[in-house]
Amino acid sequence: SAVISQKPSRDICQRGTSLTIQCQVDSQVTMMFWYRQQPGQSLTLIATANQGSEATYESGFVIDKFPISRPNLTFSTLTVSNMSPEDSSIYLCSVEFEGPPYNEQFFGPGTRLTVL
Amino acid sequence: DAKTTQPTSMDCAEGRAANLPCNHSTISGNEYVYWYRQIHSQGPQYIIHGLKNNETNEMASLIITEDRKSSTLILPHATLRDTAVYYCIALNTGNQFYFGTGTSLTVIP
Repeated sequence: SAVISQKPSRDICQRGTSLTIQCQVDSQVTMMFWYRQQPGQSLTLIATANQGSEATYESGFVIDKFPISRPNLTFSTLTVSNMSPEDSSIYLCSVEFEGPPYNEQFFGPGTRLTVL
Repeated sequence: DAKTTQPTSMDCAEGRAANLPCNHSTISGNEYVYWYRQIHSQGPQYIIHGLKNNETNEMASLIITEDRKSSTLILPHATLRDTAVYYCIALNTGNQFYFGTGTSLTVIP
Protein backbone atom coordinates (compact mmCIF):
# COMPACT_ATOMS: atom_id res chain seq x y z
CA SER A 1 0.00 0.00 0.00
CA ALA A 2 0.96 3.65 -0.14
CA VAL A 3 0.24 6.77 1.88
CA ILE A 4 -0.27 9.79 -0.33
CA SER A 5 -0.57 13.37 0.80
CA GLN A 6 -1.56 16.42 -1.19
CA LYS A 7 -1.03 20.08 -0.52
CA PRO A 8 -2.99 22.23 -0.31
CA SER A 9 -6.10 20.31 0.70
CA ARG A 10 -8.23 23.16 -0.61
CA ASP A 11 -7.81 26.66 -1.95
CA ILE A 12 -9.82 29.54 -3.29
CA CYS A 13 -8.14 31.43 -6.10
CA GLN A 14 -8.81 34.39 -8.33
CA ARG A 15 -9.22 33.94 -12.06
CA GLY A 16 -6.08 34.46 -14.07
CA THR A 17 -3.78 33.18 -11.34
CA SER A 18 -2.01 29.82 -11.09
CA LEU A 19 -1.93 27.18 -8.36
CA THR A 20 0.63 24.42 -7.87
CA ILE A 21 -0.58 21.25 -6.19
CA GLN A 22 1.93 18.94 -4.55
CA CYS A 23 1.67 15.16 -4.25
CA GLN A 24 3.97 13.27 -1.89
CA VAL A 25 4.16 9.47 -1.59
CA ASP A 26 5.71 7.52 1.26
CA SER A 27 7.46 5.06 -1.05
CA GLN A 28 9.17 5.14 -4.41
CA VAL A 29 6.87 4.62 -7.36
CA THR A 30 7.39 4.80 -11.08
CA MET A 31 3.89 5.63 -12.22
CA MET A 32 1.96 8.63 -10.96
CA PHE A 33 -1.25 10.04 -12.36
CA TRP A 34 -3.21 13.26 -12.05
CA TYR A 35 -7.00 13.34 -12.24
CA ARG A 36 -9.64 16.05 -12.23
CA GLN A 37 -13.08 15.59 -10.74
CA GLN A 38 -15.51 18.34 -11.59
CA PRO A 39 -18.48 18.93 -9.27
CA GLY A 40 -20.82 15.95 -9.31
CA GLN A 41 -18.80 14.18 -11.98
CA SER A 42 -16.55 11.17 -12.26
CA LEU A 43 -12.76 11.27 -12.36
CA THR A 44 -11.06 12.31 -15.59
CA LEU A 45 -7.44 11.40 -16.20
CA ILE A 46 -5.34 14.49 -16.94
CA ALA A 47 -1.90 12.98 -17.44
CA THR A 48 0.53 10.25 -16.58
CA ALA A 49 3.73 11.42 -14.90
CA ASN A 50 6.57 8.94 -14.88
CA GLN A 51 9.89 9.90 -13.37
CA GLY A 52 12.57 10.62 -15.92
CA SER A 53 10.24 11.37 -18.80
CA GLU A 54 7.85 14.05 -19.97
CA ALA A 55 4.29 13.75 -18.74
CA THR A 56 1.83 12.21 -21.16
CA TYR A 57 -1.39 14.20 -21.45
CA GLU A 58 -4.84 12.88 -22.26
CA SER A 59 -6.96 14.34 -25.00
CA GLY A 60 -8.31 17.72 -23.97
CA PHE A 61 -5.46 18.53 -21.60
CA VAL A 62 -2.33 20.46 -22.59
CA ILE A 63 0.99 21.11 -20.95
CA ASP A 64 0.63 24.89 -21.08
CA LYS A 65 -2.49 24.72 -18.96
CA PHE A 66 -1.47 21.86 -16.67
CA PRO A 67 2.33 21.70 -16.43
CA ILE A 68 3.54 18.73 -14.40
CA SER A 69 6.85 18.08 -12.71
CA ARG A 70 8.16 14.74 -11.51
CA PRO A 71 11.59 15.40 -10.00
CA ASN A 72 11.92 12.08 -8.17
CA LEU A 73 10.16 8.82 -7.40
CA THR A 74 8.17 10.15 -4.42
CA PHE A 75 6.98 13.57 -5.52
CA SER A 76 5.07 15.34 -8.27
CA THR A 77 3.40 18.68 -8.82
CA LEU A 78 0.52 19.77 -11.02
CA THR A 79 0.06 23.44 -11.83
CA VAL A 80 -3.29 24.79 -12.92
CA SER A 81 -2.39 27.86 -14.96
CA ASN A 82 -4.35 30.99 -15.83
CA MET A 83 -7.33 29.70 -13.93
CA SER A 84 -10.96 30.31 -14.75
CA PRO A 85 -14.10 29.32 -12.83
CA GLU A 86 -14.36 26.25 -15.09
CA ASP A 87 -11.20 24.92 -13.40
CA SER A 88 -13.04 24.61 -10.10
CA SER A 89 -12.67 20.91 -9.34
CA ILE A 90 -11.06 18.38 -7.08
CA TYR A 91 -7.61 17.43 -8.32
CA LEU A 92 -6.32 14.02 -7.27
CA CYS A 93 -3.00 12.31 -7.69
CA SER A 94 -2.56 8.57 -7.66
CA VAL A 95 0.27 6.08 -7.79
CA GLU A 96 0.32 2.65 -9.26
CA PHE A 97 2.15 -0.40 -8.10
CA GLU A 98 2.63 -2.93 -10.87
CA GLY A 99 2.14 -6.62 -10.28
CA PRO A 100 2.42 -9.48 -10.26
CA PRO A 101 0.09 -10.47 -9.08
CA TYR A 102 -1.83 -7.39 -10.16
CA ASN A 103 -1.66 -3.64 -10.59
CA GLU A 104 -3.25 -1.39 -8.01
CA GLN A 105 -3.70 2.34 -7.83
CA PHE A 106 -3.77 4.32 -4.61
CA PHE A 107 -5.27 7.77 -4.52
CA GLY A 108 -4.48 10.86 -2.56
CA PRO A 109 -7.17 12.74 -0.65
CA GLY A 110 -7.52 15.39 -3.34
CA THR A 111 -7.17 19.15 -3.56
CA ARG A 112 -10.44 21.06 -3.72
CA LEU A 113 -9.97 24.14 -5.89
CA THR A 114 -12.48 26.96 -6.20
CA VAL A 115 -11.82 29.69 -8.76
CA LEU A 116 -13.70 32.95 -8.37
CA ASP B 1 -10.05 0.94 -23.99
CA ALA B 2 -13.08 -0.99 -22.84
CA LYS B 3 -15.91 1.29 -21.83
CA THR B 4 -17.97 0.39 -18.80
CA THR B 5 -21.59 1.28 -18.13
CA GLN B 6 -23.26 1.24 -14.75
CA PRO B 7 -26.64 2.31 -13.37
CA THR B 8 -26.56 5.85 -12.08
CA SER B 9 -27.89 5.07 -8.63
CA MET B 10 -29.12 2.25 -6.39
CA ASP B 11 -30.56 1.87 -2.93
CA CYS B 12 -29.98 -1.02 -0.56
CA ALA B 13 -31.39 -1.78 2.87
CA GLU B 14 -28.86 -1.96 5.68
CA GLY B 15 -27.82 -5.56 6.35
CA ARG B 16 -28.91 -6.78 2.95
CA ALA B 17 -26.66 -7.68 0.05
CA ALA B 18 -25.93 -4.91 -2.42
CA ASN B 19 -25.50 -6.13 -5.99
CA LEU B 20 -23.93 -3.56 -8.32
CA PRO B 21 -23.88 -4.46 -12.02
CA CYS B 22 -21.42 -3.33 -14.67
CA ASN B 23 -21.43 -3.87 -18.42
CA HIS B 24 -18.10 -4.05 -20.27
CA SER B 25 -19.07 -5.69 -23.53
CA THR B 26 -15.96 -4.47 -25.40
CA ILE B 27 -13.46 -5.70 -22.85
CA SER B 28 -10.43 -7.45 -24.32
CA GLY B 29 -9.05 -10.77 -23.18
CA ASN B 30 -6.23 -9.33 -21.10
CA GLU B 31 -8.10 -6.47 -19.44
CA TYR B 32 -8.88 -6.85 -15.78
CA VAL B 33 -12.08 -5.57 -14.21
CA TYR B 34 -11.39 -3.38 -11.20
CA TRP B 35 -13.84 -1.93 -8.70
CA TYR B 36 -13.17 1.19 -6.67
CA ARG B 37 -15.41 3.24 -4.46
CA GLN B 38 -15.35 6.88 -3.49
CA ILE B 39 -16.86 7.97 -0.24
CA HIS B 40 -17.83 11.61 -0.23
CA SER B 41 -14.86 14.01 -0.32
CA GLN B 42 -12.26 11.23 -0.26
CA GLY B 43 -10.00 9.68 -2.87
CA PRO B 44 -11.17 6.44 -4.50
CA GLN B 45 -10.47 3.23 -2.61
CA TYR B 46 -9.66 -0.15 -4.14
CA ILE B 47 -12.23 -2.88 -3.52
CA ILE B 48 -11.51 -5.88 -5.70
CA HIS B 49 -10.50 -6.93 -9.18
CA GLY B 50 -10.73 -9.98 -11.43
CA LEU B 51 -9.98 -11.34 -14.88
CA LYS B 52 -12.08 -14.44 -15.51
CA ASN B 53 -12.79 -16.17 -12.25
CA ASN B 54 -15.05 -14.99 -9.48
CA GLU B 55 -13.17 -13.35 -6.66
CA THR B 56 -13.84 -12.72 -2.99
CA ASN B 57 -12.02 -10.71 -0.36
CA GLU B 58 -12.86 -9.25 3.01
CA MET B 59 -14.77 -6.37 1.44
CA ALA B 60 -16.74 -7.87 -1.41
CA SER B 61 -17.26 -10.54 -4.04
CA LEU B 62 -16.89 -10.10 -7.78
CA ILE B 63 -18.87 -12.22 -10.19
CA ILE B 64 -17.73 -12.09 -13.83
CA THR B 65 -19.86 -13.68 -16.53
CA GLU B 66 -18.32 -16.42 -18.62
CA ASP B 67 -18.21 -14.20 -21.71
CA ARG B 68 -16.67 -11.41 -19.56
CA LYS B 69 -19.09 -8.87 -20.95
CA SER B 70 -20.48 -7.99 -17.55
CA SER B 71 -19.76 -8.31 -13.87
CA THR B 72 -21.46 -7.77 -10.52
CA LEU B 73 -19.94 -6.45 -7.34
CA ILE B 74 -21.57 -7.88 -4.24
CA LEU B 75 -21.38 -6.30 -0.81
CA PRO B 76 -22.78 -9.18 1.28
CA HIS B 77 -24.06 -7.20 4.26
CA ALA B 78 -24.30 -3.52 3.40
CA THR B 79 -23.76 -0.99 6.18
CA LEU B 80 -24.35 2.74 6.25
CA ARG B 81 -20.62 3.25 5.75
CA ASP B 82 -20.90 1.54 2.36
CA THR B 83 -22.80 4.54 1.01
CA ALA B 84 -20.51 5.74 -1.78
CA VAL B 85 -20.04 5.98 -5.52
CA TYR B 86 -18.82 2.66 -6.94
CA TYR B 87 -16.73 2.62 -10.11
CA CYS B 88 -16.19 -0.33 -12.41
CA ILE B 89 -13.02 0.04 -14.51
CA ALA B 90 -11.45 -2.03 -17.26
CA LEU B 91 -7.69 -1.75 -16.94
CA ASN B 92 -6.01 -1.30 -20.29
CA THR B 93 -2.57 -2.44 -21.28
CA GLY B 94 -1.23 1.06 -20.71
CA ASN B 95 -2.07 0.76 -17.02
CA GLN B 96 -4.31 3.83 -17.09
CA PHE B 97 -7.56 3.76 -15.17
CA TYR B 98 -10.42 5.36 -17.07
CA PHE B 99 -13.33 5.95 -14.74
CA GLY B 100 -16.92 5.68 -15.94
CA THR B 101 -19.84 7.47 -14.41
CA GLY B 102 -20.14 5.04 -11.50
CA THR B 103 -23.12 3.98 -9.38
CA SER B 104 -24.15 6.03 -6.39
CA LEU B 105 -25.13 3.48 -3.74
CA THR B 106 -27.25 4.64 -0.83
CA VAL B 107 -27.61 2.25 2.09
CA ILE B 108 -30.87 2.91 3.87
CA PRO B 109 -31.29 2.27 7.60
